[in-house]
Amino acid sequence: QVQLQESGPGLVKPSQTLSLTCTVSGGSISSGGFHWSWLRQLPGKGLEWIGYFHSRGTPYYNASLKSRVTISVDTSENQFSLKLNSVTAADTAVYYCARVVDGYKFFDYWGQGTLVTVSS
Amino acid sequence: SYVLTQPPSVSVAPGQTARITCGRNNIESKVVHWYQQKPGQAPLLVVYDDDDRPSGIPQRFSGSNSGNTAALTISRVEAGDEADYFCQVWDSSSDHPGEFGGGTKLTVL
Repeated sequence: QVQLQESGPGLVKPSQTLSLTCTVSGGSISSGGFHWSWLRQLPGKGLEWIGYFHSRGTPYYNASLKSRVTISVDTSENQFSLKLNSVTAADTAVYYCARVVDGYKFFDYWGQGTLVTVSS
Repeated sequence: SYVLTQPPSVSVAPGQTARITCGRNNIESKVVHWYQQKPGQAPLLVVYDDDDRPSGIPQRFSGSNSGNTAALTISRVEAGDEADYFCQVWDSSSDHPGEFGGGTKLTVL
């Protein structure tokens, strides 16, 4: 059973960089047919896809966040990471990591989510 | 705003059938996935590829997709089905391809 777990600071100051890591267990992050994604859920709102790291080694990002986002993979640690720079209060959300199944691209395994608050 | 349109809420009595819709122009040309989210929990995939169920999801959950409307149908609704439900498509022609609906709160009366 694949499991994902987010980790990182729960509080980030405005204008700084939000950094989160997702540790994958029960399967290899290098497995073909899957990609590794970050999503977020603003308070009381729906889900927003941030981006994913394609199994071929290429990241893809939501255009609305692309200028501020970096997603990378560390295969030796079986982890992938999110960096979102120049954060504001509008970036306060629960951040989820998830596995994406290739093809029609749905999210079959999710981390439990981590709340990140942007505040001074 | 969301490209995929869902009703904010649906209410149903236990044992009845709940139908949650997801609207988009010509949605039948896309493949739709559905997630259940209970308070304080991560979303759980309940239907993928329009009408397939992951292992462990009861047969009471089914999906359909035709015309401009996709739907998640939950038969013989139970109290434990009370949750938010989100539809999702992947639109490769979009600059934000991972699209979600705004979510529907299912209340079991």
